[in-house]
Amino acid sequence: AQSVTQLGSHVSVSEGALVLLRCNYSSSVPPYLFWYVQYPNQGLQLLLKYTTGATLVKGINGFEAEFKKSETSFHLTKPSAHMSDAAEYFCAVIPSGNTGKLIFGQGTTLQVKP
Amino acid sequence: GAVVSQHPSRVICKSGTSVKIECRSLDFQATTMFWYRQFPKQSLMLMATSNEGSKATYEQGVEKDKFLINHASLTLSTLTVTSAHPEDSSFYICSAMTPRAKDNSPLHFGNGTRLTVT
Repeated sequence: AQSVTQLGSHVSVSEGALVLLRCNYSSSVPPYLFWYVQYPNQGLQLLLKYTTGATLVKGINGFEAEFKKSETSFHLTKPSAHMSDAAEYFCAVIPSGNTGKLIFGQGTTLQVKP
Repeated sequence: GAVVSQHPSRVICKSGTSVKIECRSLDFQATTMFWYRQFPKQSLMLMATSNEGSKATYEQGVEKDKFLINHASLTLSTLTVTSAHPEDSSFYICSAMTPRAKDNSPLHFGNGTRLTVT
């Protein structure tokens, strides 16, 4: 079965520092890949997604992610963290051939220190 | 952009009662909606796929008689937690697919419902 692994349940960075949240998936066939952000007691907001085409995907709020098939990875980065980036981040996939059924990683809590 | 409204945002109920949660697509028609459950500090687990005009498809291990899903119109899906127990306390989130989601991306989530069963 398809699975998604987010390395590090908690990541802490200083304001202005690089943000790197890791995501690996298990599949021989590249799925559709997503990153979502969740603020406390709220739903999910899509940051970015990869379906086909360019492997470096730019999203909202300055985030980007690169799909690396050889590493089965889709890590999320942001050059300079803001305090407002503190939230829960979820990597998710839609397995090849499925429709709309997201499989989520365990989530990573991003803490941004002043 | 497409908006999904979920209601109520919070509900507290007594053990043994039933609770209905609504998920509405406000400016688009959604033939397919999804219901997820999220335990504290954990990820989202897909409970079921709600299809307009037909029976919902439940994921393995989800009790369909306990979590009743109705998708009677193209803009509304409801999740009813029947005979709720404290272990049903959780955060429930719906998502909806837009007709233009040719790449199978659901994209649009409600803001969730915090259910507390006392």
